[in-house]
Amino acid sequence: GQNIDQPTEMTATEGAIVQINCTYQTSGFNGLFWYQQHAGEAPTFLSYNVLDGLEEKGRFSSFLSRSKGYSYLLLKELQMKDSASYLCAVRDLQTDKLIFGTGTRLQVFP
Amino acid sequence: DTEVTQTPKHLVMGMTNKKSLKCEQHMGHRAMYWYKQKAKKPPELMFVYSYEKLSINESVPSRFSPECPNSSLLNLHLHALQPEDSALYLCASSQAFRESHSYEQYFGPGTRLTVT
Repeated sequence: GQNIDQPTEMTATEGAIVQINCTYQTSGFNGLFWYQQHAGEAPTFLSYNVLDGLEEKGRFSSFLSRSKGYSYLLLKELQMKDSASYLCAVRDLQTDKLIFGTGTRLQVFP
Repeated sequence: DTEVTQTPKHLVMGMTNKKSLKCEQHMGHRAMYWYKQKAKKPPELMFVYSYEKLSINESVPSRFSPECPNSSLLNLHLHALQPEDSALYLCASSQAFRESHSYEQYFGPGTRLTVT
């Protein structure tokens, strides 16, 4: 079976750094994705990790440890527009389906 | 062009109505998806089409009927829905399985469906 855990809510201050963790248990792993979703809008792709290590993309970085079943999304220099839900999703090796976590609602305060 | 379009944006329908949701992409993607998303919940996969053939049906009730007329279009036909089917319906597309290493899914803006 598959199980993906993320914190439900987080708050942070504008300009700060926040780390959103994701742990997963899957029968077959073929990559981990992070998506951002603003309220009432579609998810937008942020990052993809399939090998261990850190992937950096501007203010956003994503880390993966396959042996620990763990990933995090790091957001630097937070802006008000970063207030959104952040979805961790694991791709199943056998079916190629994306299995989404419940999402972390991040609120950025001035 | 990395856009997936969906129509309509909003739809209100009665339980006896028949309606269709439409999705279109011109990225050359050969995999297309329908997801259902309730408020404050993650997207739930409904159907996957790969090379215009239905490859995954997540035990979705028959009142939802998908159709893939060609590689750019994906429809979801709705009939005799229930109020609990009210949700945001998201379409997504990606390169097909094993065509690409990362093949992230690109989501459309969704159709907000209300069943009365």
